[in-house]
Amino acid sequence: EAGVTQFPSHSVIEKGQTVTLRCDPISGHDNLYWYRRVMGKEIKFLLHFVKESKQDESGMPNNRFLAERTGGTYSTLKVQPAELEDSGVYFCASSPGIPSYEQYFGPGTRLTVT
Amino acid sequence: DAKTTQPPSMDCAEGRAANLPCNHSTISGNEYVYWYRQIHSQGPQYIIHGLKNNETNEMASLIITEDRKSSTLILPHATLRDTAVYYCIVRLSSWGGTSYGKLTFGQGTILTVHP
Repeated sequence: EAGVTQFPSHSVIEKGQTVTLRCDPISGHDNLYWYRRVMGKEIKFLLHFVKESKQDESGMPNNRFLAERTGGTYSTLKVQPAELEDSGVYFCASSPGIPSYEQYFGPGTRLTVT
Repeated sequence: DAKTTQPPSMDCAEGRAANLPCNHSTISGNEYVYWYRQIHSQGPQYIIHGLKNNETNEMASLIITEDRKSSTLILPHATLRDTAVYYCIVRLSSWGGTSYGKLTFGQGTILTVHP
C-alpha cells in the first residue's frame, strides 16, 4: 500500500512568488490534514479536510494560504504571495474514517522563500 | 487544547526499556492521549493512543494514571532506530467538537538510544 506522497520534496522561490504544494493521501482515506514546521518552531496544524469539505481550518495563518481538495482525493496548498516567514517544512497526513485515530504522515515538502 | 509537558531529552541504553513521561494535568474527559515520534527529518509516525486504560501494541505500551493527569510511553527494548523526538499529544475526541482532527505538537522529548 502506497503511503502519503507529497510533491515537490523541496521548493525554493522568491518572496512574492506563488507556490503550490500537492498531497496525495492514502487511497480511501477520507481525512486529510496539513501541518507545517517553520524554522525553530513546533509542528503546527493548518487544516483538516473530510472528503472535499473543510472540517477545521483554524490553523491557517492568513488569507495568503489556500487549501483545496478537489473530489475528495488529492489536496493542494497554495501560498500566494509567499513571504520569508513561510519557509519551513509542510507535512500532509491522512487517516481513514470517522472518528479518525492514526494519522499517516507524508515525508513533507521543504519550502524555502528567499 | 490541553497542554502537555515532557522532559526535553532522555538517554537509554540499547536493549533496555525506555520510559518517556508526559504530564497533561489539564486534560478533559473528552480528550485522548496520543504519542507520535519523528525520526530525523521524516514525517511524524503514530505510536499509540489511549483514553483511560493502559494500551499495548507492537511498538510500545502506554500507561495512563488513574486521574489521567500523566502518562508514560514505554518502549520495552529500545534499539538505535528508536532514536527520535517523541511527542505526547492530547487530542479531542470526535464527539468533543469540530477540532477532533487537530494534533497539537509541543517540543517533545529527544530520546537518544546509545549502544
